[in-house]
Amino acid sequence: DGGITQSPKYLFRKEGQNVTLSCEQNLNHDAMYWYRQDPGQGLRLIYYSQIVNDFQKGDIAEGYSVSREKKESFPLTVTSAQKNPTAFYLCASSLTRDRGENNEQFFGPGTRLTVL
Amino acid sequence: QQQVKQSPQSLIVQKGGISIINCAYENTAFDYFPWYQQFPGKGPALLIAIRPDVSEKKEGRFTISFNKSAKQFSLHIMDSQPGDSATYFCAASSDYGTASKLTFGTGTRLQVTL
Repeated sequence: DGGITQSPKYLFRKEGQNVTLSCEQNLNHDAMYWYRQDPGQGLRLIYYSQIVNDFQKGDIAEGYSVSREKKESFPLTVTSAQKNPTAFYLCASSLTRDRGENNEQFFGPGTRLTVL
Repeated sequence: QQQVKQSPQSLIVQKGGISIINCAYENTAFDYFPWYQQFPGKGPALLIAIRPDVSEKKEGRFTISFNKSAKQFSLHIMDSQPGDSATYFCAASSDYGTASKLTFGTGTRLQVTL
């Protein structure tokens, strides 16, 4: 059963602690993305990766870090430097354009992070 | 800077009616315009998408109308059903390398009443 998994669904952390959100895909997609969703603000791109061992900052990368050591995995760390980390975090993946015209991004179910 | 403006923020439509959501963009480099549907507590799912070389695309009850000169595109949901009640996001992307960076609108919460 192909898709994107994110874990956990709900995550609670104390202020000042780093936390890592998991994202795994078995769609054989090269590109992976992290978005943050806040009420009334849509989805905003945090980081994206086109290929293993490569990633680029999105529009709101400050206070976040990522790694891409495996094609299937793209974990996101929310650091203590992120001023307002409470949000719904969505991971997505897609084919890259050199593998076809379909740019569809497939999204995981999301992780709701609450910082207390 | 918000590059994709979406309206309305919320919409209530009667069952069987037409739902219309509008988006406007600024970046002329955008070349792919998808619409995503999101149910509460779930990730968004692609509904329909269009490229700027066509002015309209229809899939079942869902139609995208695209106006390149005005830099606007809209989603029309015909014969709206209660099951269509969800939040809808328009988006736009341009190439950066080989990945697609999507810029999303702020979303429209659609409620279809009986």
